[in-house]
Amino acid sequence: QQQVKQSPQSLIVQKGGISIINCAYENTAFDYFPWYQQFPGKGPALLIAIRPDVSEKKEGRFTISFNKSAKQFSLHIMDSQPGDSATYFCAAKYGGYSTLTFGKGTMLLVSP
Amino acid sequence: DAGITQSPRYKITETGRQVTLMCHQTWSHSYMFWYRQDLGHGLRLIYYSAAADITDKGEVPDGYVVSRSKTENFPLTLESATRSQTSVYFCASSETGVSSYNEQFFGPGTRLTVL
Repeated sequence: QQQVKQSPQSLIVQKGGISIINCAYENTAFDYFPWYQQFPGKGPALLIAIRPDVSEKKEGRFTISFNKSAKQFSLHIMDSQPGDSATYFCAAKYGGYSTLTFGKGTMLLVSP
Repeated sequence: DAGITQSPRYKITETGRQVTLMCHQTWSHSYMFWYRQDLGHGLRLIYYSAAADITDKGEVPDGYVVSRSKTENFPLTLESATRSQTSVYFCASSETGVSSYNEQFFGPGTRLTVL
């Protein structure tokens, strides 16, 4: 049972455009929602994370929007750059439970 | 070097052979994790460990064995490798805490091919 559904599977955006990746979750006990960024040949690395007590979190060009009632959260990359080309994973976890449930990932290509 | 390392980075083996993938972290993190990454499946948790001598199954544990005799090491063994275990394997670690909103730090991965 996949508890975090991520879309789209792949995305092509022009330089300067906005990249949007969406995730939906089923388990209402989830209370921490991180996004990981993975460059080819590297391990994933934490990009930005949000807790459900806020609806939005922004760090530079990266913003997480969170909709608790819809059980959805999304990553927005403003002014997308070729260096943002990577695979992005959303994830979720709850409480004292230590493991993350990952989405299947989105391959983003930002064309010059 | 500080951080989390994996060895080997690349491994080719044959069906039926035993293979051990190594993971070492220098942060003294309590938690360590093993994931496999396959196209179309994302990252799937194989096993994790909350501390030395404490391990637990993840989503896809069949065919794998782990041990954790020391906090800094978390080896993953494929006792009899199968072609379906061809994948990229990532080790990760994180601190512990009651709230457990702690970042997982990933190693560089091991690309395993089973012929």
